[in-house]
Amino acid sequence: QVQLVQSGPELKKPGASVKVSCKASGYTFTNYYIYWVRQAPGQGLEWLGLVNPSDGSTKYAQKFQGRVTMTRDTSTSTAYMELSSLKSEDTAVYFCSADLGQLSVLDHWGRGTLLTVSS
Amino acid sequence: DIQMTQSPSSLSASVGDRVTITCRASQGINDYLAWFQQKPGKAPKSLIYAVSSLQTGVPSRFSGSGSGTDFTLTISSLQPEDFATYYCQQYDSYPLTFGQGTKLEI
Repeated sequence: QVQLVQSGPELKKPGASVKVSCKASGYTFTNYYIYWVRQAPGQGLEWLGLVNPSDGSTKYAQKFQGRVTMTRDTSTSTAYMELSSLKSEDTAVYFCSADLGQLSVLDHWGRGTLLTVSS
Repeated sequence: DIQMTQSPSSLSASVGDRVTITCRASQGINDYLAWFQQKPGKAPKSLIYAVSSLQTGVPSRFSGSGSGTDFTLTISSLQPEDFATYYCQQYDSYPLTFGQGTKLEI
């Protein structure tokens, strides 16, 4: 069955960087985009961007341009999201998702990775 | 960016009730509208895409409708497991954007 398994919780200091992983299984990794969405405590959902595992191309939300880098490793079917210059406002659960049905319909999700940014 | 506005922000209802949640886009989105259900501590679950197409396994008490900029999610007869937060999302253009959520409470 399709699974997106994310890395564990992270605690970082302001100004640091974090790299979250999302390991895909149960489908052909290179055929479907991986999307990253975050959710601050008690807040709604916010899209950060996507990576095309086939060629590594990316598209980022303007808000995160220059601070986010999304990559993939096709040998391990793993996508990565790196966020730099962390601020307390980046404290959130970060989800990866895939659109295995319709393009851009986020029909499969990882369980989320909690990032806490605190001094 | 396309803004998605949901109403109401919260809703109190009872088992067996029919409820409707509204989502309005700031511009036309060519029916590229999805609905998600999220329970506390869990990832969102895709319910509906393309305004009215149910994902596999989603009960038929859920339905979606609308066109242009105005859309609705209807739950025909609330079940205990339906109490959650619901989000609409447009996927007509990047950045993908979500409504602010509607919390459905008992």
